Amino acid sequence: QQQVKQSPQSLIVQKGGISIINCAYENTAFDYFPWYQQFPGKGPALLIAIRPDVSEKKEGRFTISFNKSAKQFSLHIMDSQPGDSATYFCAAQRNTGFQKLVFGTGTRLLVSP
Amino acid sequence: GAVVSQHPSRVICKSGTSVKIECRSLDFQATTMFWYRQFPKKSLMLMATSNEGSKATYEQGVEKDKFLINHASLTLSTLTVTSAHPEDSSFYICSARAGTGGEYTFGSGTRLTVV
Repeated sequence: QQQVKQSPQSLIVQKGGISIINCAYENTAFDYFPWYQQFPGKGPALLIAIRPDVSEKKEGRFTISFNKSAKQFSLHIMDSQPGDSATYFCAAQRNTGFQKLVFGTGTRLLVSP
Repeated sequence: GAVVSQHPSRVICKSGTSVKIECRSLDFQATTMFWYRQFPKKSLMLMATSNEGSKATYEQGVEKDKFLINHASLTLSTLTVTSAHPEDSSFYICSARAGTGGEYTFGSGTRLTVV
């Protein structure tokens, strides 16, 4: 119940295309869903996050879509650029008890020029 | 925005020695800090959570006597890998949070190589 399943494991997108990464969870106590971007040899950096009271959040080229009933959320990167090539992690945190982030397995995105 | 500084970024040590990694929140008070370990092409694995002034809470399977965590102030947490062995070689990342509703800010990571 603590797992967050992430797919695909890797993704190749042409420059200008849309990158879509999906995550699914089981624990309904999760109430905070962030996405992180990580470049090789660096720590993760927060991209965008959402809470279950909204179904979509957009910040620039990055959009989170959230489906509470299906317990799924996804990251959409519009107009993907070579500089977006990185590993992306979804995560979830529950709203009660001991709070910690549960990470997905990661998606390696390559945006080809 | 919130900044977490982690040092050193790379360290090579001999087997049997100890290594200390520092994690500092530069512009906010971190009531809680987290330490992660990441293997190549893998996700982040939480090792322990520390609250300022309290003993760290270790995840199942993490040896607390090998990975000593100290959170002596609201801006500094340290991870000491004691009696390091080659299998301890990994990428270690810290994260800090200001309060229960705050975002998680990550350090830039430390690449530890034990030879």
